[in-house]
Amino acid sequence: NAGVTQTPKFRVLKTGQSMTLLCAQDMNHEYMYWYRQDPGMGLRLIHYSVGEGTTAKGEVPDGYNVSRLKKQNFLLGLESAAPSQTSVYFCASSYSGTGRNTIYFGEGSWLTVV
Amino acid sequence: AQRVTQPEKLLSVFKGAPVELKCNYSYSGSPELFWYVQYSRQRLQLLLRHISRESIKGFTADLNKGETSFHLKKPFAQEEDSAMYYCALGGGGGFKTIFGAGTRLFVKA
Repeated sequence: NAGVTQTPKFRVLKTGQSMTLLCAQDMNHEYMYWYRQDPGMGLRLIHYSVGEGTTAKGEVPDGYNVSRLKKQNFLLGLESAAPSQTSVYFCASSYSGTGRNTIYFGEGSWLTVV
Repeated sequence: AQRVTQPEKLLSVFKGAPVELKCNYSYSGSPELFWYVQYSRQRLQLLLRHISRESIKGFTADLNKGETSFHLKKPFAQEEDSAMYYCALGGGGGFKTIFGAGTRLFVKA
C-alpha cells in the first residue's frame, strides 16, 4: 500500500537554483494537491489538479509551477528558489475535490534554500 | 470568507488528564469538518470526520453549528497522543479543504 509517495525527502538548494519535487499516487485519485507547511501557518495550498492535464492555483502559487501529465503523477517545480521557499512540502490526493473527501498525504519533502 | 482557527499552538497536559483541542470555523455553506493528525516521523492522516460521528483512539469531536466549533476531545490523554493536530474545513461544490494552523499536543508522563 504505497498510497502517496514523494521524492526527494530532503534537499538543500542555493538561492536561484531550480528543482522539481515528484509525487505519485496509486489510488487512481482524480485530485492531487501540493501544500507547504510552515510553523504557525498550517498547511497552505500551492497548486492543485482536478485531473490529468489540468492544474490550478491555490492559496500561495507564486514562485511555483506544476504539471500533471499523467493521472498518477503531480510535479512541483521551483524555477528560481528563494529562501522564503524553505518549507516542508506535502503532496496529497483525494478521490474528488468537493471538500467532503478524505485527503491522503505523502510523507513530506524538507526543502532548505540557502 | 472561509476560515479555520485553532487558537492554541501548543497544548501540554499530563498523562491521564482530559484534553480538548479547540477548532472554530467560518463558512456560509454546509460544512464538513475533519481532524487530521501527524505523529512524529509519520505522514499527516485523517483522525476523524464529523459525519462519521465515531470515536477514534478515544477521541471524539462534535460539530456545533451554533458556535461554529468542532473541538477535539479525549477524556484521558496518553503519551502516544503527542502529535500535531490539524482541524480542516471542507464543503460542497468546488470548495477546497482548508486547514487550520495546527495545535501541537504534548502529553507528559
